[in-house]
Amino acid sequence: DSGVTQTPKHLITATGQRVTLRCSPRSGDLSVYWYQQSLDQGLQFLIQYYNGEERAKGNILERFSAQQFPDLHSELNLSSLELGDSALYFCASSVSSHAANYGYTFGSGTRLTVV
Amino acid sequence: AQKITQTQPGMFVQEKEAVTLDCTYDTSDPSYGLFWYKQPSSGEMIFLIYQGSYDQQNATEGRYSLNFQKARKSANLVISASQLGDSAMYFCAMREGMDSNYQLIWGAGTKLIIKP
Repeated sequence: DSGVTQTPKHLITATGQRVTLRCSPRSGDLSVYWYQQSLDQGLQFLIQYYNGEERAKGNILERFSAQQFPDLHSELNLSSLELGDSALYFCASSVSSHAANYGYTFGSGTRLTVV
Repeated sequence: AQKITQTQPGMFVQEKEAVTLDCTYDTSDPSYGLFWYKQPSSGEMIFLIYQGSYDQQNATEGRYSLNFQKARKSANLVISASQLGDSAMYFCAMREGMDSNYQLIWGAGTKLIIKP
């Protein structure tokens, strides 16, 4: 167990629907990062939060949004889902806004399937 | 231009042999860090090893070592005495600078299969 908790582990939903992915960072970590990994591809950075504030944005679609709550857990909202949104969504956390020497600690991911 | 290049999409290696996974990077920032992660078929991302640009010695973590050649901008991962459990995708990633607004830049990965 890495200490980063992602729920749910699997999600199957229909096109056009909206889903929420949840992430609880490792205890003491203030930064949360969201990544998308499509089949047989590398990781695409979506967005970073640090202590409740958005810190950096990557290739995140306008249909997607995220937030980090006062208790530091984060949610990634995906709306108007398309077949191409099917992917493994990772949350990662780190102590500061820097990766430090140990990089991120990743959660086990949420596998989203849009049908 | 690709910032992180992993030229080996896939590799087959005999069990107990050493493995070298290639990673080259491109940055003009003097301060950067290089990471290797392992992703087994179960999907989780596991941190393996880190090398800072100012580190004088190559990083080592158990059977993992990083062959850091700064002038060549190369950060190859070496796995000694490979085991069946080493079969996985391996990703090289880079952090540029020490600015707080950073993300890791990822390579496309190498799929390593260890043969018994």
